[in-house]
Amino acid sequence: KQEVTQIPAALSVPEGENLVLNCSFTDSAIYNLQWFRQDPGKGLTSLLLIQSSQREQTSGRLNASLDKSSGRSTLYIAASQPGDSATYLCAVYTGGFKTIFGAGTRLFVKA
Amino acid sequence: NAGVTQTPKFQVLKTGQSMTLQCAQDMNHNSMYWYRQDPGMGLRLIYYSASEGTTDKGEVPNGYNVSRLNKREFSLRLESAAPSQTSVYFCASSETGGEAFFGQGTRLTVV
Repeated sequence: KQEVTQIPAALSVPEGENLVLNCSFTDSAIYNLQWFRQDPGKGLTSLLLIQSSQREQTSGRLNASLDKSSGRSTLYIAASQPGDSATYLCAVYTGGFKTIFGAGTRLFVKA
Repeated sequence: NAGVTQTPKFQVLKTGQSMTLQCAQDMNHNSMYWYRQDPGMGLRLIYYSASEGTTDKGEVPNGYNVSRLNKREFSLRLESAAPSQTSVYFCASSETGGEAFFGQGTRLTVV
């Protein structure tokens, strides 16, 4: 059974710091992996989608990598800002319309 | 560009009452989904619709019914609400295996 784990559960950093959020999954048979941002009381906002054949994707200050063989993905946030404070979720699509979500990393960026 | 729109945003029901959550997407996606998000449980799939005219059970379908009214709209019905159905409900849409987009959520409390 596919399981998705995100460590750490919470993270507090000073503004301007570069940071890495981790996502691991137990079964490498995935079609894609997606990173989301969720603000308190809001829905999920898609940040990046990495197909299984890709190694990384970039959008602005965000860079996501995927290592399928080791079951890992990282989300790198450069020059963090207070507005980056949110919960970040990763999700793996395993086929058959099934997506498994991690529990998220709650990020707080201090001004 | 509305994306995925859910109504209502908040709802309080008494045990035994019924209600329908509405969802509409304007991205011409074939697939639509209903999830619930609970503290400590993450996001769990209730039902999904692979394409117009089809619906299938997800991980936690008991107590719910769905209707794929047309390609744009996918509704979730609680026939007889129970306190265990207190949750935040999210609708999402995507192309098969593609990037998923979420609505803003419906916060439901059953008393």
